[in-house]
Amino acid sequence: QQQVKQSPQSLIVQKGGISIINCAYENTAFDYFPWYQQFPGKGPALLIAIRPDVSEKKEGRFTISFNKSAKQFSLHIMDSQPGDSATYFCAASRDSGNQFYFGTGTSLTVIP
Amino acid sequence: ETGVTQSPTHLIKTRGQQVTLRCSSQSGHNTVSWYQQALGQGPQFIFQYYREEENGRGNFPPRFSGLQFPNYSSELNVNALELDDSALYLCASSWDRRYEQYFGPGTRLTVT
Repeated sequence: QQQVKQSPQSLIVQKGGISIINCAYENTAFDYFPWYQQFPGKGPALLIAIRPDVSEKKEGRFTISFNKSAKQFSLHIMDSQPGDSATYFCAASRDSGNQFYFGTGTSLTVIP
Repeated sequence: ETGVTQSPTHLIKTRGQQVTLRCSSQSGHNTVSWYQQALGQGPQFIFQYYREEENGRGNFPPRFSGLQFPNYSSELNVNALELDDSALYLCASSWDRRYEQYFGPGTRLTVT
C-alpha cells in the first residue's frame, strides 16, 4: 500500500519556468512533509520541509504548498534552471521521524 | 562537519550469500535509519537505530538485521541474499530521532 502518492512521474520544463510536483497522503497522523532532491549516483538531499500547521513555506526558489483538508502537498520550483534537473521525492513521517514514507519520485528535466 | 559516509560504494554478491554494509553518521548525530531504494523507486524504510537500540522497523524480513555502535556508526546485514535484494542501500542520520534526516551516498548492491 503506497502511503504517499506522487505525480507526475516525469516533467519537462523550460528554463525560467515553474516546475510543480504533487503528492497526496492518506494517514492523517503524518506531521512532517519533506522534499528531497536526488542526482544520479547520489543519496537524496533534504530540500525543504513543512509541518501541517502552516499552508506554505518558501526557501529561495522552492516553495511547499500544503492543503491539510485535501491531504495534499506540492513543491513549486520557480525560475527553474538546468541545474535543477534531478529526481524529486516527497515524503511523510510521524512519531518524531521514526519512519519515513517516500513517494515514487518525479524526474525533472529543465531544458535551456 | 563530516557528512554521512557509507562503504563500500558498490558490491556484487551471489544469491544465498551474506553481506554487511556500513554507515558512519554525520558528526553529532545519534540516530541512523536504513533504506532500500530499488531502481526507479523511492526509498523504502528498513529500520532505525537510536542509541544502539532498534527504534522501528519497516516491512522487511528478519534476514535484514542491523547494529549501531557506541560511536553511532551502523551496519546493515542481509543474509541469504535474493535477486530482488539488488538495490541502492541508503543510510540517513539525524539527531535524537528528529525529523531532519541527512542521507549518505548509498551502497549499490547487485545480487547475481
